[in-house]
Parts: sequence; structure tokens; C-alpha cells
Amino acid sequence: DQQVKQNSPSLSVQEGRISILNCDYTNSMFDYFLWYKKYPAEGPTFLISISSIKDKNEDGRFTVFLNKSAKHLSLHIVPSQPGDSAVYFCAASTYKAAGNKLTFGGGTRVLVKP
Amino acid sequence: NAGVMQNPRHLVRRRGQEARLRCSPMKGHSHVYWYRQLPEEGLKFMVYLQKENIIDESGMPKERFSAEFPKEGPSILRIQQVVRGDSAAYFCASSPGGVADTQYFGPGTRLTVL
Repeated sequence: DQQVKQNSPSLSVQEGRISILNCDYTNSMFDYFLWYKKYPAEGPTFLISISSIKDKNEDGRFTVFLNKSAKHLSLHIVPSQPGDSAVYFCAASTYKAAGNKLTFGGGTRVLVKP
Repeated sequence: NAGVMQNPRHLVRRRGQEARLRCSPMKGHSHVYWYRQLPEEGLKFMVYLQKENIIDESGMPKERFSAEFPKEGPSILRIQQVVRGDSAAYFCASSPGGVADTQYFGPGTRLTVL
């Protein structure tokens, strides 16, 4: 039962262009969402998050959009840089005081071509 | 200002042996989570602990796996009588607690069972 899905296993984009990563979820109890970036043989690195009271959050080159009615979120990276080549994981949780265990999608591998 | 530390980074065990994985959370963090990543999959939640307490172990296999977070020292994930299917990357994350707090991950321990 995959509650969080990233349907695109890979994405290739030219340096300087926009990367758009998508994530769908099924559990309506989720109300806090995060994106992590992972390089091989390293742990996931936190990128950006959004709570369900917002539909957009921006941090530098990274913007996350949330569409609650569609149970869909996306991560935009503009402009894409070669160092952005990594696996990106979407994760979902609940907005409570503690014990926010994360449910992860399967990941999207991004390759930014110089 | 060290991040989450995990050791060992690589661990090789033969079937039937025990594996002990250690995690030291970031300074000031009192919440520890363990996740497992099987090859070509996303991360899966295993257990959530606070000092001296297991809060949520809903993701832990019922047998052979245990976790602790003692008053002093690192959190330990223990796998008894390892089998080949236990081969995976095990990640620890820590957070300070509070509503919708962010989890920060360690570099992981890669367990190989021969």
C-alpha cells in the first residue's frame, strides 16, 4: 500500500532549465510534506517543506507547490545546476507535536546535463 | 556543530550473526527515528524513540529487530540472527521535537549479509 508515490523514476534536464518533480499521496491525514535530496552513499538532505495550510513555499531556487484537493505536490528547481543531480524523495507526515514519522515516495533520479 | 552520526558506515555479517548499528543525534535533539532503505526503494520507517522510551515501533519487524535509546549514549538498532534479506541501508534521523519539526538524517549504515 504505497501512500506516497513518485511516478517518474528519472528526469533529465539541461543546465539552467527548470526541473519539475511530482509526488502524489493517498492518505488524507497527511498535512505536512517534505522534499529530501540524496547523493549516493549519503543520507537524505532536507530541502524544503510545506504544511497543508499553504499552497506554496519558496526557498531560493526551490519551490514546493501543494494541491490538497488533488493530493498532489511538486518541487520546482530553477535554474537547475549540475550539482542538483541526485535522487529526490518526497515525504509526508502529520502536523502534530511529536512522532512525525515520515512516509517516503520511491524517489526520482534527476540528471542535470551541462 | 556535528550532524547526525552513525557508525559503522559499512557492516558485513554472516547469516546468523548479530548486527549493532549506532546513532548519535544532533546536539539538542531528543527524538530519534530509524529508517531502512532496500535496494531501489524509498526509505521505510522502522521505529521512533525518545530517551529511554520507544514511542512508535509500528515499522519494526516483529522478530529479531530491537531498538533502544538509553539515557546516556547513542541509540542502537540491533538485528539478531541476520538473514540475507536484512541487507540494506539503515538511516537514523533526529529532530528537536515540536509541531511539524524537521528530521535530519545521518549518512547511514550499509549492512551486507553474506
